This record gives sequence, C-alpha cells and structure tokens, in this order.
Amino acid sequence: DVKVTQSSRYLVKRTGEKVFLECVQDMDHENMFWYRQDPGLGLRLIYFSYDVKMKEKGDIPEGYSVSREKKERFSLILESASTNQTSMYLCASSYPRRQGYEQYFGPGTRLTVT
Amino acid sequence: AQSVTQLDSHVSVSEGTPVLLRCNYSSSYSPSLFWYVQHPNKGLQLLLKYTSAATLVKGINGFEAEFKKSETSFHLTKPSAHMSDAAEYFCVVSDLTGSARQLTFGSGTQLTVLP
Repeated sequence: DVKVTQSSRYLVKRTGEKVFLECVQDMDHENMFWYRQDPGLGLRLIYFSYDVKMKEKGDIPEGYSVSREKKERFSLILESASTNQTSMYLCASSYPRRQGYEQYFGPGTRLTVT
Repeated sequence: AQSVTQLDSHVSVSEGTPVLLRCNYSSSYSPSLFWYVQHPNKGLQLLLKYTSAATLVKGINGFEAEFKKSETSFHLTKPSAHMSDAAEYFCVVSDLTGSARQLTFGSGTQLTVLP
C-alpha cells in the first residue's frame, strides 16, 4: 500500500516563526502536492512538485515556499507564520499526469498559529 | 477550466436508509472523477473513481456513483447507511489537460447518520 506520512499531526507556533512541514512518500511517485483545508472551502492547492527540485505554484502560494531535494520528500515552509495560516495541511502524492491516477494523502498536520 | 459543485454542504440520514450525495462538474475535456472520504482528524481516502470505462462505478464500503455526461453529474449513493459512514465527502474532477496539477476539489458534503 502507498504510504504518505507527515512529520507532525498537531503543531502550535507563534506569529513570525518559521515553520517547516515535512512529507514523505514511499511509492516512488513523481508528483507531490501540498494543500490546505479550511471549513467550507474544501482543499486548496498551495504548491506542487513534478520532479526533484521542480515546483509550481498552486492556487494560494502566498506566504509559503517549498523544497524538494529528494524524490520521496516534499517540505512546506511558512517563512513567517501568521494567524491566517492556522489550518489543516495535507500532503499528497501521485504518479505522473495520467488519466485516472488518483492522489494518495497523508493524515494531515493541524497547525495553529497564535 | 474545470470545476466541481457539491450541491449539499450537509446531509443527514437515518441508519439503514439510502444515501445520496450530489455532485455536478464542469470540464473542458473528458474528465476523470473521484469521490474521497475524510473521517474526523484523518487524511482523505479514495472511495471510487471514474476513468471513461463503465459509467456506473462501484467503490469501497458499498458506495457507488454514476457518471452522467448529459447532466454533468457524478452523484454518490449507498443503499443503506451505516453509522461508520458519518464523515465528510469530497467530489473531485481531473481532466486530461494541464500539468501535474490534476485535481479540483468540491467544497465537501458532511454526512451525518442518525441512529
């Protein structure tokens, strides 16, 4: 089975801190994604990566950056955390763009910024 | 551009009665469609997917969905609800164009199952 793991289930940070969220997948997937999930808004794509060191902005990249130095690992970075970044963050991975290849999700990190 | 509309933000059913969660989509090309389920404090799990084969798709836990191109719908059904079905459900569309960003998510439907 595909496994996507995220470094923390719950995280509490202070405003202005630099925050790192880590995601690791074990299926050799080329694509990896970071989403944030907020009530009533569904999932919104922050960034994705289709190869090592390659990244593209999603729908809401402001205030975030990403790093992909190894194929299995994709990190989301909040350069200076703000209270409006309090949210559930979900990582996902998939095979290259092909019809029908679904994304596999990690358990999520619930981040609270105070 | 593709989009997904989940027509109900909340659905409440009694245990043992049928479930219907409604989803309409918009896509420029022949889409792939998915339903995911999310239980409290968990990640998303794939329930079923449509990829241009049979229009009636069967998934896990007794769920199924029917792709209707003329109505641009992909409604999720289950004949008899179980308490363990209480969760949030997301309808998702992916089309053949674009880059690695494949999926567009609906805003979710919260399913409550009453004893």
